[in-house]
Amino acid sequence: SAVISQKPSRDICQRGTSLTIQCQVDSQVTMMFWYRQQPGQSLTLIATANQGSEATYESGFVIDKFPISRPNLTFSTLTVSNMSPEDSSIYLCSVATDRVGNTIYFGEGSWLTVV
Amino acid sequence: DAKTTQPPSMDCAEGRAANLPCNHSTISGNEYVYWYRQIHSQGPQYIIHGLKNNETNEMASLIITEDRKSSTLILPHATLRDTAVYYCIVSGGYQKVTFGTGTKLQVIP
Repeated sequence: SAVISQKPSRDICQRGTSLTIQCQVDSQVTMMFWYRQQPGQSLTLIATANQGSEATYESGFVIDKFPISRPNLTFSTLTVSNMSPEDSSIYLCSVATDRVGNTIYFGEGSWLTVV
Repeated sequence: DAKTTQPPSMDCAEGRAANLPCNHSTISGNEYVYWYRQIHSQGPQYIIHGLKNNETNEMASLIITEDRKSSTLILPHATLRDTAVYYCIVSGGYQKVTFGTGTKLQVIP
């Protein structure tokens, strides 16, 4: 199994500022993903974090707003830039290996409130 | 779009078995069925997954139909702590995952 640590777990941010969320895994993983969960909604995939190259963003999400880094196989960051109240969400990191049928793991999430 | 369809909500009496259905009629041959649950504001918790055979672990059982177009998650003796949103997803395990809206299970005393 993979243990995922996300920081911060919770934060209150001023609008117009940026916040970086960290995701640390206790073992090397091939795939890392970032999700957003707005209040009362299901999870929406933001992007796939690719090691050594630019992240792959889903429709509706752009690099300028959600820059992602992945310097190695155990760590990734997601920055939420120029925040507005609409960015108030839980942001979740997810990891998987490249083996078919392996378990996909999720972090506990980072709960951001923008005021 | 999500590849699965689940009822939006279900109730279950405490101590009874909770049977949560999921339709995944477009599942491909190398995709597994995964079940997760999310208790308020926490990260999704892995429950179980399977390819085509029925699976059981300490948390639940997964029954997959022979044509693999649907499955049922069974919580054999539901407790109040099982109240959560349950998500059924299909994935090869190494791919990005699209979540549907899930089933909100309410366990009633």
